[in-house]
Order: sequence, then structure tokens, then C-alpha cells
Amino acid sequence: EIMLTQSPATLSLSPGQRATLSCRASQTVGRNYLSWYQQKPGQAPSLLIYGASTRATGIPARFSGSVSGTDFTLTISSLQPEDFAVYFCHQDQDLLTFGGGTKVEIK
Amino acid sequence: QVQLQESGPGLVKPSETLSLTCTVSGDSMSSYYWSWIRQAPGKGLEWIGYIDNNGGTNYNPSLKSRVTITPDTSKNQFSLNLRSATAADTAVYYCVRWVTTVRNNWFAPWGQGTQVTVSA
Repeated sequence: EIMLTQSPATLSLSPGQRATLSCRASQTVGRNYLSWYQQKPGQAPSLLIYGASTRATGIPARFSGSVSGTDFTLTISSLQPEDFAVYFCHQDQDLLTFGGGTKVEIK
Repeated sequence: QVQLQESGPGLVKPSETLSLTCTVSGDSMSSYYWSWIRQAPGKGLEWIGYIDNNGGTNYNPSLKSRVTITPDTSKNQFSLNLRSATAADTAVYYCVRWVTTVRNNWFAPWGQGTQVTVSA
């Protein structure tokens, strides 16, 4: 089973700041098999990015994804008030597993 | 626009079967795969399993011995049965469309989720 480790667990930032979220896989995961989801309080998760770097329909350009080896990164270039939420990475190369999540909170 | 809605008991007794139904509107079930995902209180997401557009299934190995996902295409619904429920199965349960393409796969959209508590 491929484990995904997200860091940090919590990121405290101010609106306008840049957020960098990490997702490290326990073994190689092809970029086609990694996606990111956003979960706002009291809501279901929603798709942000698939294929490691392709934004889903309607997702603003301030959200971007990248990969280097087994390390996947979600970057929010300038945090907006609505971006404070929990973010999960997910892989479907081998079964389907999620990372533990990173909470982006207002500092 | 595709919408998914979970329904079922919010309270299940230990050792009984947790049963939920997902109603799909705005799309035919025959075109996609359909999945269940759960989230225990304050925890992350756990994939339970999915049913494909041919009725085939794939389950999380950690739950496989207790889980069944079945379709009812006449009603555009699919159901989850989780046998021998324990307190560890207390969670919000989401039904989700699993979109599979040649290059990528993703979960979208998600149902709003339904809270299920396992308690006597």
C-alpha cells in the first residue's frame, strides 16, 4: 500500500501570503495518479487538481501543483479568505489512499 | 449537473450492518464508477470501495471482508453494506463519482455526506 505523508499538519498564514503544502509518497507515484482536494469546514471535499498539476474546472490560477520525485507540492500563490481549509492529497496508482491532510488556518 | 445524495440510518448498533444508499441525479450510472469514502471524527479520508460501470467492484483490503457495494441502475442508486459494525466505523460517509479517463482519474462530485454513529 502506498502511504502519503502530508506536511505540515497545520500551516498558519495571513491572507495574501503564499502557502506551500507537501505530500510525500512512500514509493514512486506517477504524476497521472496524484490529485488534491480541498475541504472547507462542515463541507464535503472538492476536487482541486488532478494529474499532479491540472486544475479542475473553475479552480483559480492561484492554485498550482507540481512534482519532484516522490514529493508532490500544492502551492497557493496568494491566500484568499476562502482558501483557509484542509487539503488532502490522493493517489490511485496502487489501490486508493489519501494523505492525512494539511490544515491552512488564519494566523 | 450531477448530484449525489446519501441516505440511511444515522445510528447503528454494534455488530449490526451499516447500510447506506446513494441516489445519483443528472447522470446515468452506466457511464462512470461510483465510490464510498468515509471520514472519522477529526480524521482524514478513507476510501471504502467502488463499483464500476459493469457492476464490478474493488474494495479497500482493510474493509474487504465486511463490505459490499451494489448497484440499482433502475433507480440510479448504489448502496453500501458494512457488516459487523463497531464504534470504529463511526464516521461521515460520502458517496462520490470516480471519474476515470485514459490519463487521469479523480473523485467528483461528492455527496454532502451523512453522519453514521455506531453505538448501543
